[in-house]
Amino acid sequence: AQSVSQHNHHVILSEAASLELGCNYSYGGTVNLFWYVQYPGQHLQLLLKYFSGDPLVKGIKGFEAEFIKSKFSFNLRKPSVQWSDTAEYFCAVLPGGSARQLTFGSGTQLTVLP
Amino acid sequence: SQTIHQWPATLVQPVGSPLSLECTVEGTSNPNLYWYRQAAGRGLQLLFYSVGIGQISSEVPQNLSASRPQDRQFILSSKKLLLSDSGFYLCAWRGAGGRGELFFGEGSRLTVL
Repeated sequence: AQSVSQHNHHVILSEAASLELGCNYSYGGTVNLFWYVQYPGQHLQLLLKYFSGDPLVKGIKGFEAEFIKSKFSFNLRKPSVQWSDTAEYFCAVLPGGSARQLTFGSGTQLTVLP
Repeated sequence: SQTIHQWPATLVQPVGSPLSLECTVEGTSNPNLYWYRQAAGRGLQLLFYSVGIGQISSEVPQNLSASRPQDRQFILSSKKLLLSDSGFYLCAWRGAGGRGELFFGEGSRLTVL
């Protein structure tokens, strides 16, 4: 079965610092990749997604992610974080085929200090 | 536009009592529906999913069950709650043609005492 690893469980940054959250998956075939975000007290929201094409995907609020097929990775980045980016971030993978189910990573809690 | 609602948002129940969490989706037809449980540091665990009325697939054997009595209604139930059933439960639906993208409800916080 496929799995998704988010190695950073809790990341603490100061405002304006750069962010990179790691996501690695184990599946050898075609995948669709997602990053979700959960702000305090809010529901999970889609941050960005990759289906095909340009491996550098841009999402909302200045976030981007790069799909590196050879490394089975889909890391999330932001050049300069803000206090409002404090949230929990989840990576998710969908193996090729719409009948499959999303597999989520364990999440990374990001705390941005003002 | 499509919306998804869960209720109740918060629930405190004694051990051994029954459970019913409801989820409804508006603005779409024949959605795929999902129940997840979110535990701190463990991500989201898929509990059940449904591709149509009366069609339920269980991912994890447990004390819970799910039903889909109507196209846009998904219910999570238990006859007798256990302490270990405490958690945050999320309902989600898959957008038509969304190729796997899920949209989540607000969640239901269950505390079993």
